[in-house]
Amino acid sequence: GNSVTQMEGPVTLSEEAFLTINCTYTATGYPSLFWYVQYPGEGLQLLLKATKADDKGSNKGFEATYRKETTSFHLEKGSVQVSDSAVYFCALSDPGGYNKLIFGAGTRLAVHP
Amino acid sequence: EPEVTQTPSHQVTQMGQEVILRCVPISNHLYFYWYRQILGQKVEFLVSFYNNEISEKSEIFDDQFSVERPDGSNFTLKIRSTKLEDSAMYFCASSERGFTGNTIYFGEGSWLTVV
Repeated sequence: GNSVTQMEGPVTLSEEAFLTINCTYTATGYPSLFWYVQYPGEGLQLLLKATKADDKGSNKGFEATYRKETTSFHLEKGSVQVSDSAVYFCALSDPGGYNKLIFGAGTRLAVHP
Repeated sequence: EPEVTQTPSHQVTQMGQEVILRCVPISNHLYFYWYRQILGQKVEFLVSFYNNEISEKSEIFDDQFSVERPDGSNFTLKIRSTKLEDSAMYFCASSERGFTGNTIYFGEGSWLTVV
């Protein structure tokens, strides 16, 4: 079945460090791919998305490229801030369903000053 | 910016009791969803709802669960007889369209504790 695998956390970085959170997926058909973020005490917020191969989603300095050949959608940011501390979820939109999202396990990011 | 709102933010209930979680989706959205996240686990799909009927549901969404859109603005999840394992964060969500890739907007969640 369709699934998403994320790198395990927590990821601990110093402010201004480079961030990569790996995400790979398994899907039949052509899913859309998403990164959601959950700040402490808050709900899930869409960070970025890509709907077809080679698309790059970007927002707030984060970016991810839909790589069909490697079935990946890795999240990157060039210089993280303390305010980026949160849990990041990679997800795919099941192409066989009614826009159903399948989530990865989430990766907790902690950024220290 | 329009948002999905959920009530209550936290509810504690006795095992076997009925619980209703309420949601107000974004006003021009047509597709509604419930997801849940057991502490420390993945966010899991429960059900999707369109045009006043369930369009898809997961194995988790058994006969103890039901959803309803009682009026033009609210969308509810009812758990008829709660079990300890129903303790989780429940997220309501909505989207304008139902096709793959259409952005789904989530509420802040309702944390349910069954004791």
